Amino acid sequence: AQTVTQSQPEMSVQEAETVTLSCTYDTSENNYYLFWYKQPPSRQMILVIRQEAYKQQNATENRFSVNFQKAAKSFSLKISDSQLGDTAMYFCAFMNLKKSSGDKLTFGTGTRLAVRP
Amino acid sequence: DAGVIQSPRHEVTEMGQEVTLRCKPISGHDYLFWYRQTMMRGLELLIYFNNNVPIDDSGMPEDRFSAKMPNASFSTLKIQPSEPRDSAVYFCASSFTAQGNTEAFFGQGTRLTVV
Repeated sequence: AQTVTQSQPEMSVQEAETVTLSCTYDTSENNYYLFWYKQPPSRQMILVIRQEAYKQQNATENRFSVNFQKAAKSFSLKISDSQLGDTAMYFCAFMNLKKSSGDKLTFGTGTRLAVRP
Repeated sequence: DAGVIQSPRHEVTEMGQEVTLRCKPISGHDYLFWYRQTMMRGLELLIYFNNNVPIDDSGMPEDRFSAKMPNASFSTLKIQPSEPRDSAVYFCASSFTAQGNTEAFFGQGTRLTVV
Protein backbone atom coordinates (compact mmCIF):
# COMPACT_ATOMS: atom_id res chain seq x y z
CA ALA A 1 0.00 0.00 0.00
CA GLN A 2 1.10 3.54 -0.68
CA THR A 3 1.26 6.33 1.87
CA VAL A 4 1.62 10.06 1.32
CA THR A 5 2.87 12.37 4.06
CA GLN A 6 2.58 16.13 4.22
CA SER A 7 4.35 17.26 7.35
CA GLN A 8 3.32 20.92 7.23
CA PRO A 9 -0.30 21.38 8.34
CA GLU A 10 -0.12 25.15 7.77
CA MET A 11 2.12 27.55 5.90
CA SER A 12 2.11 31.27 5.41
CA VAL A 13 3.83 33.40 2.78
CA GLN A 14 3.96 37.07 1.89
CA GLU A 15 2.44 38.05 -1.43
CA ALA A 16 5.03 37.95 -4.25
CA GLU A 17 7.35 35.73 -2.25
CA THR A 18 8.20 32.06 -2.87
CA VAL A 19 7.00 29.16 -0.75
CA THR A 20 7.75 25.44 -0.84
CA LEU A 21 5.33 22.76 0.33
CA SER A 22 6.74 19.37 1.27
CA CYS A 23 5.50 15.91 0.42
CA THR A 24 7.03 12.49 0.89
CA TYR A 25 5.59 9.16 -0.14
CA ASP A 26 6.26 5.51 0.35
CA THR A 27 5.82 2.89 -2.34
CA SER A 28 7.46 -0.23 -3.69
CA GLU A 29 6.20 0.53 -7.18
CA ASN A 30 8.35 1.97 -9.92
CA ASN A 31 5.72 3.29 -12.28
CA TYR A 32 3.45 6.00 -10.90
CA TYR A 33 2.26 9.58 -11.10
CA LEU A 34 2.41 12.26 -8.45
CA PHE A 35 0.06 15.22 -8.28
CA TRP A 36 -0.53 18.43 -6.42
CA TYR A 37 -4.16 19.46 -6.06
CA LYS A 38 -5.42 22.81 -4.80
CA GLN A 39 -8.63 23.15 -2.83
CA PRO A 40 -9.72 26.79 -2.36
CA PRO A 41 -12.56 27.76 -0.03
CA SER A 42 -15.00 26.97 -2.85
CA ARG A 43 -14.17 23.31 -2.14
CA GLN A 44 -13.37 22.53 -5.76
CA MET A 45 -10.37 20.20 -6.23
CA ILE A 46 -8.14 21.68 -8.91
CA LEU A 47 -5.15 19.94 -10.43
CA VAL A 48 -2.07 22.15 -10.10
CA ILE A 49 0.69 20.00 -11.50
CA ARG A 50 1.54 16.41 -12.38
CA GLN A 51 4.81 14.46 -12.47
CA GLU A 52 5.41 11.14 -14.15
CA ALA A 53 7.84 9.03 -12.14
CA TYR A 54 9.75 7.89 -15.23
CA LYS A 55 10.60 11.49 -16.13
CA GLN A 56 13.72 12.93 -14.56
CA GLN A 57 12.86 16.49 -15.53
CA ASN A 58 10.84 18.35 -12.93
CA ALA A 59 7.38 19.46 -14.05
CA THR A 60 6.63 23.17 -14.33
CA GLU A 61 3.34 25.02 -14.81
CA ASN A 62 3.79 28.78 -14.89
CA ARG A 63 4.51 29.85 -11.27
CA PHE A 64 4.28 26.27 -10.00
CA SER A 65 7.15 23.82 -10.13
CA VAL A 66 8.09 20.64 -8.37
CA ASN A 67 11.29 19.17 -7.01
CA PHE A 68 10.93 15.45 -7.63
CA GLN A 69 13.53 13.28 -5.92
CA LYS A 70 12.61 9.71 -6.80
CA ALA A 71 15.29 8.00 -4.71
CA ALA A 72 14.34 10.02 -1.67
CA LYS A 73 10.61 9.65 -2.47
CA SER A 74 10.14 13.35 -2.14
CA PHE A 75 7.86 15.59 -4.18
CA SER A 76 7.80 19.23 -3.09
CA LEU A 77 5.80 22.04 -4.68
CA LYS A 78 7.30 25.48 -5.17
CA ILE A 79 5.03 28.45 -5.72
CA SER A 80 6.82 31.50 -7.03
CA ASP A 81 5.49 35.06 -6.92
CA SER A 82 2.70 34.01 -4.57
CA GLN A 83 -0.68 35.59 -5.18
CA LEU A 84 -3.66 36.06 -2.89
CA GLY A 85 -5.58 33.60 -5.05
CA ASP A 86 -3.10 30.89 -4.11
CA THR A 87 -4.60 30.78 -0.62
CA ALA A 88 -6.00 27.24 -0.35
CA MET A 89 -5.44 23.74 0.94
CA TYR A 90 -2.85 21.86 -1.10
CA PHE A 91 -2.92 18.10 -1.37
CA CYS A 92 -0.16 15.87 -2.59
CA ALA A 93 -1.44 12.67 -4.23
CA PHE A 94 -0.04 9.41 -5.57
CA MET A 95 -1.37 7.24 -8.38
CA ASN A 96 -0.04 3.74 -9.01
CA LEU A 97 0.04 3.03 -12.72
CA LYS A 98 -0.30 -0.70 -12.30
CA LYS A 99 -3.36 -1.72 -14.30
CA SER A 100 -4.94 -3.49 -11.33
CA SER A 101 -4.81 -0.29 -9.30
CA GLY A 102 -7.04 1.70 -11.61
CA ASP A 103 -6.61 5.46 -11.46
CA LYS A 104 -7.28 5.81 -7.77
CA LEU A 105 -5.47 8.50 -5.84
CA THR A 106 -3.91 8.29 -2.40
CA PHE A 107 -3.87 11.71 -0.77
CA GLY A 108 -1.77 13.33 1.90
CA THR A 109 -3.44 15.17 4.76
CA GLY A 110 -2.96 18.54 3.13
CA THR A 111 -1.18 21.82 3.82
CA ARG A 112 -3.19 24.95 4.40
CA LEU A 113 -1.44 27.87 2.68
CA ALA A 114 -2.25 31.46 3.52
CA VAL A 115 -0.89 34.24 1.31
CA ARG A 116 -0.60 37.51 3.24
CA PRO A 117 -1.12 40.83 1.45
CA ASP B 1 -18.40 19.61 -21.18
CA ALA B 2 -19.67 20.96 -17.85
CA GLY B 3 -17.30 18.80 -15.83
CA VAL B 4 -18.27 16.33 -13.14
CA ILE B 5 -21.66 17.26 -11.75
CA GLN B 6 -22.72 16.33 -8.25
CA SER B 7 -26.04 16.87 -6.55
CA PRO B 8 -27.07 18.08 -4.14
CA ARG B 9 -24.34 20.50 -3.12
CA HIS B 10 -25.56 20.49 0.45
CA GLU B 11 -27.66 17.96 2.29
CA VAL B 12 -28.87 18.11 5.86
CA THR B 13 -30.70 15.09 7.16
CA GLU B 14 -31.73 13.52 10.42
CA MET B 15 -30.03 10.50 11.84
CA GLY B 16 -31.61 7.31 10.58
CA GLN B 17 -32.76 8.76 7.28
CA GLU B 18 -31.66 7.49 3.88
CA VAL B 19 -29.37 9.77 1.90
CA THR B 20 -28.62 9.50 -1.80
CA LEU B 21 -25.80 11.43 -3.44
CA ARG B 22 -25.64 11.68 -7.21
CA CYS B 23 -22.89 12.08 -9.75
CA LYS B 24 -22.69 12.62 -13.48
CA PRO B 25 -19.15 11.99 -14.75
CA ILE B 26 -17.55 13.65 -17.73
CA SER B 27 -18.78 12.07 -20.94
CA GLY B 28 -16.35 9.47 -22.27
CA HIS B 29 -14.57 8.88 -18.99
CA ASP B 30 -14.25 5.23 -18.05
CA TYR B 31 -13.36 5.55 -14.36
CA LEU B 32 -15.55 6.95 -11.62
CA PHE B 33 -14.50 7.44 -8.00
CA TRP B 34 -16.25 8.33 -4.78
CA TYR B 35 -14.09 10.02 -2.12
CA ARG B 36 -14.97 11.25 1.35
CA GLN B 37 -13.27 14.20 3.02
CA THR B 38 -13.30 14.76 6.77
CA MET B 39 -11.13 16.80 9.08
CA MET B 40 -10.01 13.71 10.94
CA ARG B 41 -9.23 11.38 8.04
CA GLY B 42 -8.63 13.70 5.10
CA LEU B 43 -9.56 12.42 1.63
CA GLU B 44 -10.36 8.74 1.47
CA LEU B 45 -11.34 6.63 -1.50
CA LEU B 46 -14.61 4.84 -0.86
CA ILE B 47 -15.17 2.96 -4.12
CA TYR B 48 -14.35 3.17 -7.79
CA PHE B 49 -15.87 1.87 -11.00
CA ASN B 50 -14.34 1.03 -14.36
CA ASN B 51 -16.75 0.91 -17.29
CA ASN B 52 -19.66 0.94 -14.82
CA VAL B 53 -18.36 -2.10 -12.91
CA PRO B 54 -17.34 -1.72 -9.25
CA ILE B 55 -13.68 -2.63 -8.98
CA ASP B 56 -12.66 -1.84 -5.43
CA ASP B 57 -15.08 -1.08 -2.61
CA SER B 58 -12.66 -1.78 0.21
CA GLY B 59 -12.92 1.82 1.34
CA MET B 60 -16.66 1.67 1.96
CA PRO B 61 -16.87 2.01 5.73
CA GLU B 62 -19.90 -0.13 6.49
CA ASP B 63 -22.78 -2.02 4.98
CA ARG B 64 -24.82 1.13 5.43
CA PHE B 65 -22.95 2.50 2.41
CA SER B 66 -23.70 1.35 -1.11
CA ALA B 67 -22.86 2.67 -4.57
CA LYS B 68 -24.20 1.95 -8.00
CA MET B 69 -23.41 2.92 -11.54
CA PRO B 70 -26.31 1.82 -13.72
CA ASN B 71 -24.86 3.46 -16.82
CA ALA B 72 -21.85 5.42 -18.01
CA SER B 73 -23.39 8.78 -17.18
CA PHE B 74 -24.74 8.30 -13.68
CA SER B 75 -23.70 7.02 -10.27
CA THR B 76 -25.21 7.12 -6.80
CA LEU B 77 -23.82 6.76 -3.31
CA LYS B 78 -26.42 5.80 -0.75
CA ILE B 79 -26.22 5.80 3.02
CA GLN B 80 -28.96 3.97 4.87
CA PRO B 81 -29.46 4.60 7.71
CA SER B 82 -27.36 7.73 8.07
CA GLU B 83 -25.46 8.56 11.27
CA PRO B 84 -23.89 11.80 12.54
CA ARG B 85 -20.39 10.39 11.93
CA ASP B 86 -21.21 10.21 8.22
CA SER B 87 -21.10 14.01 8.11
CA ALA B 88 -18.43 14.91 5.56
CA VAL B 89 -17.88 16.25 2.07
CA TYR B 90 -18.35 13.55 -0.55
CA PHE B 91 -16.57 13.99 -3.85
CA CYS B 92 -17.14 12.23 -7.11
CA ALA B 93 -14.34 12.19 -9.68
CA SER B 94 -13.91 10.73 -13.14
CA SER B 95 -10.99 10.03 -15.41
CA PHE B 96 -10.12 8.60 -18.78
CA THR B 97 -7.06 6.46 -18.93
CA ALA B 98 -5.04 7.16 -22.02
CA GLN B 99 -1.34 6.97 -22.46
CA GLY B 100 0.18 10.02 -20.85
CA ASN B 101 -3.17 11.58 -20.07
CA THR B 102 -4.18 10.36 -16.65
CA GLU B 103 -5.95 13.04 -14.65
CA ALA B 104 -8.90 12.83 -12.28
CA PHE B 105 -11.52 15.57 -12.56
CA PHE B 106 -13.48 16.28 -9.42
CA GLY B 107 -17.00 17.49 -8.88
CA GLN B 108 -17.69 20.27 -6.43
CA GLY B 109 -18.63 17.84 -3.72
CA THR B 110 -21.71 17.30 -1.58
CA ARG B 111 -21.51 18.53 1.98
CA LEU B 112 -23.53 16.10 4.07
CA THR B 113 -24.61 16.98 7.58
CA VAL B 114 -26.40 14.34 9.64
CA VAL B 115 -28.01 15.72 12.78
